[in-house]
Amino acid sequence: AQSVTQLDSQVPVFEEAPVELRCNYSSSVSVYLFWYVQYPNQGLQLLLKYLSGSTLVKGINGFEAEFNKSQTSFHLRKPSVHISDTAEYFCAVSASNYGGATNKLIFGTGTLLAVQP
Amino acid sequence: GAGVSQSPRYKVAKRGQDVALRCDPISGHVSLFWYQQALGQGPEFLTYFQNEAQLDKSGLPSDRFFAERPEGSVSTLKIQRTQQEDSAVYLCASSSGTVGRGSYTFGSGTRLTVV
Repeated sequence: AQSVTQLDSQVPVFEEAPVELRCNYSSSVSVYLFWYVQYPNQGLQLLLKYLSGSTLVKGINGFEAEFNKSQTSFHLRKPSVHISDTAEYFCAVSASNYGGATNKLIFGTGTLLAVQP
Repeated sequence: GAGVSQSPRYKVAKRGQDVALRCDPISGHVSLFWYQQALGQGPEFLTYFQNEAQLDKSGLPSDRFFAERPEGSVSTLKIQRTQQEDSAVYLCASSSGTVGRGSYTFGSGTRLTVV
């Protein structure tokens, strides 16, 4: 069964510094990978996704992620963070259920990005 | 509508009470999902609809949980005889596709507190 590991529950960083949020997944089949952001008392917003093709994926708000199949990782990066980036970030993998059709997302436990002035 | 709408935003239920949570997906979206997010955790899959068909209910934690989408649009998640462990945010998401390549649009969730 697919699973997602986000080792860092919280990442403190100063404003304008670079940041990397780590995500590793386990799967024996092709996967689709996602990063979502959740601001307080709000739903999840898609940052970026990897479906196929280029392993470097660019998303909204200046975020990017790199798919590394050999390391089964999909780390999220931003070269310079802002106070407004403070939020919970979730990595997710799309799980194959039956007949090769994929539907549900399997989420990690989340990483709180805390940007300090 | 422009987004996924969930109601109510907050629900306080006494232990043993039945609750119903509503989800209005984006118009025309074929796929609809329910997730449960406990405090400090990532969302966990509950159930999946493709139009009106409930194709996957493997994540429903007990037979007290029931979901329906009778006309392939609005969905209701019902929890019978609520317990304290049911306290969580319940998220609904919809997608235009039937496979996991698409972008899932999430609602803001219903925060259920069982006292």
